[in-house]
Amino acid sequence: GENVEQHPSTLSVQEGDSAVIKCTYSDSASNYFPWYKQELGKRPQLIIDIRSNVGEKKDQRIAVTLNKTAKHFSLHITETQPEDSAVYFCAANSGGGADGLTFGKGTHLIIQP
Amino acid sequence: ETGVTQSPTHLIKTRGQQVTLRCSSQSGHNTVSWYQQALGQGPQFIFQYYREEENGRGNFPPRFSGLQFPNYSSELNVNALELDDSALYLCASSLDGANGNQPQHFGDGTRLSIL
Repeated sequence: GENVEQHPSTLSVQEGDSAVIKCTYSDSASNYFPWYKQELGKRPQLIIDIRSNVGEKKDQRIAVTLNKTAKHFSLHITETQPEDSAVYFCAANSGGGADGLTFGKGTHLIIQP
Repeated sequence: ETGVTQSPTHLIKTRGQQVTLRCSSQSGHNTVSWYQQALGQGPQFIFQYYREEENGRGNFPPRFSGLQFPNYSSELNVNALELDDSALYLCASSLDGANGNQPQHFGDGTRLSIL
């Protein structure tokens, strides 16, 4: 089955700086890669996703890049703000489609004022 | 548009008991996936229901079972509860999830504690 590794587990950045979170996956048939933000005690919230037919996608301060050859994808947050503080999870589907999403272990992003 | 709703929000059970958790999918979504999230971990896939049939299953024992109804709402049933079943149970709905590449939107979850 799919295996997703996520790094770092904790990331502390100064407000206004950029943050980058990286993930690798194992199943070459995976073709959908969402990112979720989860604040303490709240539901995971889909913030951006990318499919394997594109290499990059942007939405305001958030961007995701995908390297299919190397089987890794990254989340980039620019101009970080205090409200960006949360746990971020990357995920990948399994190639068969019906095996749900496999999540990474999460990155606790801390924005220092 | 109504989002994903789950009930109850919290539940306390003892070892050996049985529990049923409920989920109403987002309006227009026909696929429901259930996940277990232990403290400090990412969600783990339990199973998925698409058009009232189990469409895929993760590495969970048969005492975890489910149903999907004609209105696409769903139930998760867990029998013979164990201490390790204590977790947040999340439901996510999507449109035509059989191919696995549609956005999944989560509910707030049910926090299950086993004593």
